[in-house]
Amino acid sequence: EVELVESGGGLVQPGGSLRLSCVASGFTFSNYWMYWVRQVPGKGLMYVSRINLNGKIAEYADSVKGRFTISRDNAKNTLYLQLSSLRVEDTAVYYCTRGGNGLTDYWGQGTLVTVSS
Amino acid sequence: DIVMTQSPDSLAVSLGERATINCKSSQSVLYSSNNQNYLAWYQQKSGQSPKLLIYSASTRQSGVPDRFSGGGSGTDFTLTISSLQAEDVAVYYCQQYFNSPTFGQGTKVEIK
Repeated sequence: EVELVESGGGLVQPGGSLRLSCVASGFTFSNYWMYWVRQVPGKGLMYVSRINLNGKIAEYADSVKGRFTISRDNAKNTLYLQLSSLRVEDTAVYYCTRGGNGLTDYWGQGTLVTVSS
Repeated sequence: DIVMTQSPDSLAVSLGERATINCKSSQSVLYSSNNQNYLAWYQQKSGQSPKLLIYSASTRQSGVPDRFSGGGSGTDFTLTISSLQAEDVAVYYCQQYFNSPTFGQGTKVEIK
């Protein structure tokens, strides 16, 4: 059974940093692109970033480019998202998702990031 | 970015009746080399993460009941629930994956 478990969310001040992790199981992690998608509570879904199989290709939404960094450790079946220079508008639930050709077929339960002073 | 627009924003349907959600993309998501529409539908129940229902515009994900069906091509798509059940109350999102993924704003489905 495919499982994605995120962690690392919490309360952080504007301008601060946080690292999210996502541990994958139930599939061959290194065979899939991986994505981060976020959702402001009560609002819609927004793609944040994605990374290719070996971690050498990373793409970002314009709103987070230069502030967020996606990475992966295939030996640990773990996906990461480093969040820096955080803004109030980055407050959201961050989901880790498995992807293939852009289609995100499995999602974790999400981790809440709250940016507030 | 491709903009996805859903209609309506919400709808209330009686149990056993049909529910139809529309999704329009700002440009075609039909990939000509394989004739596939890069369009998916997700269901998100309250307090849960999104669940993939349909991909390639009309292919049901494994385990999804056959009362859910998708249609359309190019820029105009529909999700139909043929006979609404209580467990179908949720927000439904369309998503294009033709390029960097974008989602519609969501359609809330409730029981009338």
